Amino acid sequence: DTEVTQTPKHLVMGMTNKKSLKCEQHMGHRAMYWYKQKAKKPPELMFVYSYEKLSINESVPSRFSPECPNSSLLNLHLHALQPEDSALYLCASSLITSGGRTDTQYFGPGTRLTVL
Amino acid sequence: GESVGLHLPTLSVQEGDNSIINCAYSNSASDYFIWYKQESGKGPQFIIDIRSNMDKRQGQRVTVLLNKTVKHLSLQIAATQPGDSAVYFCAEPRGFDNYGQNFVFGPGTRLSVLP
Repeated sequence: DTEVTQTPKHLVMGMTNKKSLKCEQHMGHRAMYWYKQKAKKPPELMFVYSYEKLSINESVPSRFSPECPNSSLLNLHLHALQPEDSALYLCASSLITSGGRTDTQYFGPGTRLTVL
Repeated sequence: GESVGLHLPTLSVQEGDNSIINCAYSNSASDYFIWYKQESGKGPQFIIDIRSNMDKRQGQRVTVLLNKTVKHLSLQIAATQPGDSAVYFCAEPRGFDNYGQNFVFGPGTRLSVLP
């Protein structure tokens, strides 16, 4: 299995809703990432988990709450979002080598989020 | 031709021609670079990478060139096909967390293959 899967593919939510995005990989990768991508822009890093611990939070607002329940799963909990949070949310994973460095990142297809 | 401005840079090539996509990077200490391809509605897909101890690396129909003197990368695609139409991003390391490095993406170039 060499892919990263994400659910749902599309999500429409109101500003008062609570929803979650899910990401799964079975490649044995111990680094997992959330990116946000606006139209015609490159992906922007939000969070990094290494060995199931949050290692990087790129000053993301608290209405985005990541969770890594085990080495294969990564969630992004959403609450009280704003219309400007509408974007493609990408999950990625990478190997952590025996030397302790992260390798190439492999991306999922993304969740297209629309906040009304 | 290639255009740069407020919109995503676009490169239009005839099917069968070679394509060259360019990328400037900012950190002279960067030691690893990746090219990604992103098709419409999909996540970025790894194409090829290169380490700073190399000037050139070849894959299947793709070649990456690295010029460290001017901090410039290029991706060459031979015999461009309609399936090559996508946005192409270069990525360089931005720094280190406790376990390694994470990447910042360039602005991207849209490649359009004309029949």
